[in-house]
Amino acid sequence: ETGVTQTPRHLVMGMTNKKSLKCEQHLGHNAMYWYKQSAKKPLELMFVYNFKEQTENNSVPSRFSPECPNSSHLFLHLHTLQPEDSALYLCASSQGLAGGTDTQYFGPGTRLTVL
Amino acid sequence: AQKITQTQPGMFVQEKEAVTLDCTYDTSDQSYGLFWYKQPSSGEMIFLIYQGSYDEQNATEGRYSLNFQKARKSANLVISASQLGDSAMYFCAMRPTNFGNEKLTFGTGTRLTIIP
Repeated sequence: ETGVTQTPRHLVMGMTNKKSLKCEQHLGHNAMYWYKQSAKKPLELMFVYNFKEQTENNSVPSRFSPECPNSSHLFLHLHTLQPEDSALYLCASSQGLAGGTDTQYFGPGTRLTVL
Repeated sequence: AQKITQTQPGMFVQEKEAVTLDCTYDTSDQSYGLFWYKQPSSGEMIFLIYQGSYDEQNATEGRYSLNFQKARKSANLVISASQLGDSAMYFCAMRPTNFGNEKLTFGTGTRLTIIP
């Protein structure tokens, strides 16, 4: 495996379900990110982890719960979601260094549909 | 706060022609980085090119070049000799380059379609 991988690629869930999205990076990076991409909206940053510590929570509802057990893995736990949470969820990673060239590399995303 | 504006929601370009995708930005930061990403229908955001605000020369990566005009706050992406595989959404993004600030701000994107 290379780069950033995400599973599952597609997920359909009911509003009462609990599910988790998984992200794994094979780039030796220290920072990981969750983004939400809704139709016709710019990408929205949700969470940032740097060296396993959460450094940003962009006012995300508590029905989204991130977990970063180590620098290579990032999870997004989902429970009691709403239909408006249907979107493409993208994971990214970067070296986590200060400075402009801290490029973020993205995974293929999980297409989530909430019924 | 940063803001990215991409005014072209969609563009159609003949194969082998060059194409320019517009991006303007607004920021109060003195030091920042500008990025372009490509998103095919598969969903993955693919990093294309980076330009630092203090870089004196325009960035180039293969067929991609960035036309950086700092005074106008614009960072247009130029794709030379377009190919059918260039059909995708293209996003301009920026981030400050202060210590510990990793947030990328994205524009709304431009959908590029290459016509055979």
